[in-house]
Amino acid sequence: DSGVTQTPKHLITATGQRVTLRCSPRSGDLSVYWYQQSLDQGLQFLIQYYNGEERAKGNILERFSAQQFPDLHSELNLSSLELGDSALYFCASSVEWTSTEAFFGQGTRLTVV
Amino acid sequence: GENVEQHPSTLSVQEGDSAVIKCTYSDSASNYFPWYKQELGKRPQLIIDIRSNVGEKKDQRIAVTLNKTAKHFSLHITETQPEDSAVYFCAANQAGTALIFGKGTTLSVSS
Repeated sequence: DSGVTQTPKHLITATGQRVTLRCSPRSGDLSVYWYQQSLDQGLQFLIQYYNGEERAKGNILERFSAQQFPDLHSELNLSSLELGDSALYFCASSVEWTSTEAFFGQGTRLTVV
Repeated sequence: GENVEQHPSTLSVQEGDSAVIKCTYSDSASNYFPWYKQELGKRPQLIIDIRSNVGEKKDQRIAVTLNKTAKHFSLHITETQPEDSAVYFCAANQAGTALIFGKGTTLSVSS
């Protein structure tokens, strides 16, 4: 157990819908990252937060948004869902602003039908 | 931004052989280079990492080497075992930036 909690573990929804994925980082970790892993694809960086502020954006679609709350948990919102959004979404957290190990949650498997 | 290339995409070895996975990075400011192992259906987990002030690091059967001049780093697994079969990801970043991952290498170790 990495200490990073993601909910839900599985999500099935229809095209055009909106979903929210939730992540609770390890206790004490200030940085949260979101990654998308599609079938046979690597870990695509979406967005990073540090202590409540957005720090970096990767290949995140405009239909996607995220935020980190004062208690440091984070939510990833995916709207106007398309079939191609089906993927495994990972949250990871790390303790510091400097380069340190990132601990991954178990992921949320999103299936858009 | 940082870009990480990883090769090969698949690697098949016999049990007991060595396996080498190579990565190159684009941003010379990157100073942290971790390797993650992801077993089927599970989360990526760190297996070894190296910082830019070190050229080589070893942990039992696993070693990582870093060539800052050439901007590439490699993972070496010796005496491979069937349980080493997994997808391996390299990554790179610098302070305050997100880890950027390579596309992964699927390692298959046959007994």
